[in-house]
Amino acid sequence: NAGVMQNPRHLVRRRGQEARLRCSPMKGHSHVYWYRQLPEEGLKFMVYLQKENIIDESGMPKERFSAEFPKEGPSILRIQQVVRGDSAAYFCASSPPNSNQPQHFGDGTRLSIL
Amino acid sequence: AQSVTQLDSHVSVSEGTPVLLRCNYSSSYSPSLFWYVQHPNKGLQLLLKYTSAATLVKGINGFEAEFKKSETSFHLTKPSAHMSDAAEYFCVVSDRLKAAGNKLTFGGGTRVLVKP
Repeated sequence: NAGVMQNPRHLVRRRGQEARLRCSPMKGHSHVYWYRQLPEEGLKFMVYLQKENIIDESGMPKERFSAEFPKEGPSILRIQQVVRGDSAAYFCASSPPNSNQPQHFGDGTRLSIL
Repeated sequence: AQSVTQLDSHVSVSEGTPVLLRCNYSSSYSPSLFWYVQHPNKGLQLLLKYTSAATLVKGINGFEAEFKKSETSFHLTKPSAHMSDAAEYFCVVSDRLKAAGNKLTFGGGTRVLVKP
């Protein structure tokens, strides 16, 4: 049973480019969460999605960041016009449709902005 | 709003000695609490969880944590450290979201160093 799959593991972009991070949840999991980890810090919640719906995006920056979880395919975190401060590790987690179940994390995408 | 404070950013122990990682939380209602471990360049692995059942929770790899409501604490312990325990540990509190989701709030992390 494959875990949460994130790709790419490492992504390098120049300032002004777009970054697309992908996440495939565990089989049977319908809830997807994105978190950001800045260097030497804990993870910070960004957004919570179910299929075709954004449920809570209270942790998303107001500009340049968007997320989707289409009916078919992985969840995508998209960052437009990246800046140096976007450099971080971005983690995806998934859980089954039961609020008491813990979230399972992928290995993350490490985004570096040149 | 919920919050988590990990009282030590770094802990150094000798192999075979006990490990104690301290965590205090604030929550407006009965929380769900977790400890996750993160090895370098890896994702987070769940060590254990508390969800209002027994206050002493046993997890994987010999770790356990005790929920103390009066002290709002959820400290993580292991009686005998192993070299493979060197990692970063996060105390986490869960906040219920609509549509049966959960928003995790993380402590700042405690980096554990195990000396031979």
